[in-house]
This record gives sequence, structure tokens and C-alpha cells, in this order.
Amino acid sequence: DAKTTQPPSMDCAEGRAANLPCNHSTISGNEYVYWYRQIHSQGPQYIIHGLKNNETNEMASLIITEDRKSSTLILPHATLRDTAVYYCIVRSHNTGKLIFGQGTTLQVKP
Amino acid sequence: SAVISQKPSRDICQRGTSLTIQCQVDSQVTMMFWYRQQPGQSLTLIATANQGSEATYESGFVIDKFPISRPNLTFSTLTVSNMSPEDSSIYLCSVGDTTYEQYFGPGTRLTVT
Repeated sequence: DAKTTQPPSMDCAEGRAANLPCNHSTISGNEYVYWYRQIHSQGPQYIIHGLKNNETNEMASLIITEDRKSSTLILPHATLRDTAVYYCIVRSHNTGKLIFGQGTTLQVKP
Repeated sequence: SAVISQKPSRDICQRGTSLTIQCQVDSQVTMMFWYRQQPGQSLTLIATANQGSEATYESGFVIDKFPISRPNLTFSTLTVSNMSPEDSSIYLCSVGDTTYEQYFGPGTRLTVT
């Protein structure tokens, strides 16, 4: 399973876009990029996933570079409730396993 | 999406004892996963439990310590055996197939004294 690298922490002003980067330089062709978040004391929550095209849903947008070695999760209008640990995960659709790294702690400030 | 419940939600146990954690899903699912989250740490995958086959354990986890049952497509149990304080963690059940999102239960908070 490919490893991911994320900054340990980030701050974002409420109402502004939060851009969370992730490096996954060893990703292979059949591996997808998944994003989850974990709000304190709760189970992780699915946000979005993609293979090579950019994706958007009601929660966020996922931008994957053309070489697929990095990606950015965008929360377009961050709120205080978006304060959480965000995990970028490279997942094989052969095994289905999610292997978590250390994630990025996003602090949204008023 | 799948709704997952876990029992117990929390427990305090004495060292040397065992605790069985239950995971119930509101729909049939192919794959179930068990994770551990030690205090202040990220999640670590313990094992993959598919119905009708033996659980597959990740490196560092063994069946004698963490036996798993998967009797049907909506239920699984994880037992933490011969507990020590180092087993104090949150244990999470997760379900999903290989190609879509996985859903996580609320977790079981275990404290071993």
C-alpha cells in the first residue's frame, strides 16, 4: 500500500477555503485517493475519493495532479464544525483496506 | 450508507481478562474491518474479516490475542484477550466493499487497569 505524507497541522479562517495537501508519490495505477476526517471522539467520516479525475461532492472537492503523485482536498467555505483530523489515504480496490497515516489537524478559527 | 453499532461503547477491565466487542450493521456487507486507535494516535488496521473465511491479520496482530468471528454478513466480534494496560484504546469496526467508501462505527473505548 502506498504511503501518504501530510502536514501535521493547518489553520483556516472561518468562511474561507481550506486547502489540505497530500503527497502520494508511490501510488500505483489501481490505487485510489480517499479522504476521511475524524472529529474528536467519533469514528472517521468519509469525505470523497478519486482515481485521476477531479471530484466534487456536497462536502468537498478533490484535485489530483496529472501524475497522480499528489492531491488537494478543498473545503470551499470552512466552518468551525470542520475542525477535525483529515486523513489522506491511498486505497487498493483489490484489498479494500484503508491504511491510515497521521493526518492533518485542521483548526478552523473564527 | 450503512449504520453501524458497537457494544459496549466503553468498558474498564482488569489486566489479564478478556473483552468481546460486538459490531452490528443494518445491511449485509461483504467486508468488515477492525481498527485500533491508541490514545493520541491514528487508526491502525488489526484485521479484515470476511464472512465464511478466516480473518486476515495485519503485521503485529495475531489471532490468539485478537480472535475475530464473522458468523454472517451483518455481524462480527473482536475479542481482546489477556489484556494489559497497553491494550487501552478505542476499537472501531468498519464495513464496506472494495470499491466504495467504508463506514465506521462509533468505537468502543477500552481502559485496562
